[in-house]
Formats: sequence, structure tokens, C-alpha cells
Amino acid sequence: DQQVKQNSPSLSVQEGRISILNCDYTNSMFDYFLWYKKYPAEGPTFLISISSIKDKNEDGRFTVFLNKSAKHLSLHIVPSQPGDSAVYFCAASSWRGGSQGNLIFGKGTKLSVKP
Amino acid sequence: KAGVTQTPRYLIKTRGQQVTLSCSPISGHRSVSWYQQTPGQGLQFLFEYFSETQRNKGNFPGRFSGRQFSNSRSEMNVSTLELGDSALYLCASSLGTSGYTDTQYFGPGTRLTVL
Repeated sequence: DQQVKQNSPSLSVQEGRISILNCDYTNSMFDYFLWYKKYPAEGPTFLISISSIKDKNEDGRFTVFLNKSAKHLSLHIVPSQPGDSAVYFCAASSWRGGSQGNLIFGKGTKLSVKP
Repeated sequence: KAGVTQTPRYLIKTRGQQVTLSCSPISGHRSVSWYQQTPGQGLQFLFEYFSETQRNKGNFPGRFSGRQFSNSRSEMNVSTLELGDSALYLCASSLGTSGYTDTQYFGPGTRLTVL
């Protein structure tokens, strides 16, 4: 049973527009959520995170929104740039649940930003 | 500050052999987690080590083992290799003491091919 789901395998956006990547989760014990960007044959690069006590976190062009009641989070990239083209993974952890060091990942969304 | 390093980057083995992968965490980080990435299963947690002790373990067979040294460097061992063990093996490090907002930073991975 997938605890973290990214239902869109791919997303194509025009340069300069907003990219919105979505993620749903099922485990109410998750208390920390992260977004990573990944290129083929490389390790994931940390982008931004949000704890369960917040509903929004911003870092430059990246904003993550958390809706706990809907068990949904989203990553907004504004404005999108061609260099943002990569696979984006949503991940969650549950320290309250005793799962230190264990990130549960979604399957990823491949973002393509067209010039 | 140097990032997470993993050696070797690429490895080719045959079925039945064993393999050892190495990971050096970011300086000051005491937690090291290992993940397996395959096209079918995505990123899956193997285990986490903190202060030379395994603190958490994923759902992998006993052929997968690891250890951590006093300098926080970690090794992962896979014995009796199977074709299905072909994957990208990723190591991530974190402080390990930040509580539930502990962020993991990934290395470039070791690409293991089993023939």
C-alpha cells in the first residue's frame, strides 16, 4: 500500500509560468514532508521541506503548501525555468511513529519546462 | 562543506557474489540512511545507522546488511547477489539529533549491475 502518492507521472509547463506538483499521503503519523529534485543517475537534491505544524513554507521560487485535513501537499515553482526540468519526489517521515531516518517516497513527477 | 560521497560509483557483479558499498556523510552528520532505487519499486528505505547502531530497518531480506564506524562512515553489504539486486543504491546523511525535522542529504549513488 503506497503511503505517499504522486498521481501525475509527468507535467509540462511553459517557461515563466507556474509549476504545481502534487502529493497525497495516507499516514496521519507523518510529521515532516520534503521535496527532492533528481536527475538521472544522480542522488536526489533537497529542495524544501515543511513540518506538520505549518501550512506553508517558502524558499525563493519554491513554496510548499500542506493541507493536513486533506492529507495533501503541493510544490509551487514560480517562475518556472528550463533548468527546473527534472524528476521531483515528495517524501515524508514519521518520527512520532518511531521511523527515524526512514523517508517514504512517492514515485515522482517528471517536470519538463519548455523555453 | 563537502557533500555526501559514495564509492564506488559503478559496480558490476555476477549472481552469487557479494558486494560492499561505502558512504561518507557530511561532516558533523551522525545519521546515515541507505535506500535502493529501482524502476519498478522507486526509492525504498533499507536501514539507518546512528552512532554506530542500527536505529531503523526497512523490509529487505537479511542478505542486506550494514554498519557504521566511529567516524560516522557507513558501509552496506549485499551477500549472495541476485539479478533483482541491480539498482541505484543511495546513501543519505543527516544530523540525527534534530528531532522530527531532521533533513536528509543524499550522495550521488552507486549503480550496481548484477549479471
